[in-house]
Formats: sequence, structure tokens, C-alpha cells
Amino acid sequence: DAGVTQSPTHLIKTRGQHVTLRCSPISGHKSVSWYQQVLGQGPQFIFQYYEKEERGRGNFPDRFSARQFPNYSSELNVNALLLGDSALYLCASSLGLGGSGNTIYFGEGSWLTVV
Amino acid sequence: AQSVTQLDSQVPVFEEAPVELRCNYSSSVSVYLFWYVQYPNQGLQLLLKYLSGSTLVKGINGFEAEFNKSQTSFHLRKPSVHISDTAEYFCAVINMDTGRRALTFGSGTRLQVQP
Repeated sequence: DAGVTQSPTHLIKTRGQHVTLRCSPISGHKSVSWYQQVLGQGPQFIFQYYEKEERGRGNFPDRFSARQFPNYSSELNVNALLLGDSALYLCASSLGLGGSGNTIYFGEGSWLTVV
Repeated sequence: AQSVTQLDSQVPVFEEAPVELRCNYSSSVSVYLFWYVQYPNQGLQLLLKYLSGSTLVKGINGFEAEFNKSQTSFHLRKPSVHISDTAEYFCAVINMDTGRRALTFGSGTRLQVQP
């Protein structure tokens, strides 16, 4: 079975532009979360969606938004890009909300470089 | 807010030697604990998790970790490392006292296995 898939794998954007990152969870998984990993740091939680509803939001500005579609795939959108948004963006999926027996699986990530 | 501290940013070790990677988390009544590994230019792979029960948890690739509630620690160990274990290791926690089921990560420990 396919794991968590993300696209694109690498992209370069200019300051002020907008970016959309996409994620397909493992088949049957209903929860998708997004994390930002800046070089040399641990991942930071951005959003969590479960059954198409937002269930959690990390400490990120309103320039960051996300949504989950009926097929449980998800998009992360970032507006008005800043140099500091350069990072690896990780998508994670789980059967239900994280914890208990619901292992959280990660994709390979999307490398975003803002110039 | 939940926090995770990984006490060593880098751990150099010779091949076939034992290793311990340290992790402490801020006190909470109910937590789930995880160790993830990240190989260069890849996403995160789950090594092991503690949800409840036995405080000694065994994971993949010969790793194990011990949950110590009184010391709020979850140290990762391997009795004999291989060159292929060279990677970044992240300790993470889910605080079950909150409604959010997102992972809070430490800053990572880079394990460098030398021949």
C-alpha cells in the first residue's frame, strides 16, 4: 500500500508569492496533519484535520491555511511568502486522531525555498 | 505548554558501541511518547512508541526506550550501533490532557556512527 504522498517534492518561490502543497494520506486514514521543519530544528505543528474539520492549529500566522477534502487528501496554503517560510513541510496521517492506537505516519515532505 | 528537551544535539559513537539518546518532557498527567528517525533528505519514520503498560518499549532496528514517569524521561538506547544508524533522532510527545492530538517534537539529536 502507498504511504503518505506529498507534492511537489521541491519548489522555489519568490517573496510575496503564494504556495499550495498537497498531501494524500494512507488509504483509510481520516486524519491529516501538517508540520513545518526548519533546517536544524524539530518539526513544528501547523494544522490538524479530522473528518474534514479542523481539530487543531499551531502557533502560525493567518497566512497559513489548510483544508481537507472529501477523499481525505489535504492542501496547505501559504500566502505572502517570507524568507523565513523556507522549510521542509511534512504531512502526516493517522486512522483517527493521534494517540492511543493511532500511529502517525509521515510523508517525505515538500522542500520549499523562498528567495 | 508541552515541551520536549533533547539534551544532546550531537552524539558521536563508534560502530558496535552502545548508545543512549536522552529525552525529557514537561510534566503532564497523561502523555504518549514517541521516537522518530529521519535519514538525510527524508521524512520521519516511527522507531517506537509508549502508550501504556510496560515502561520498557522495544522498537525497530534494535532500538528500545524506557519511560520513567518520576523523571519525566524517555531515553532511547541501542546496545550496538551500525553505520546505517547515522541519522537525526526526534523525541515527541502527545499531551492527552488537551484536546489536541498533535505531536510536540524535541530539537533532535544527530547520531554519528564512526567506523
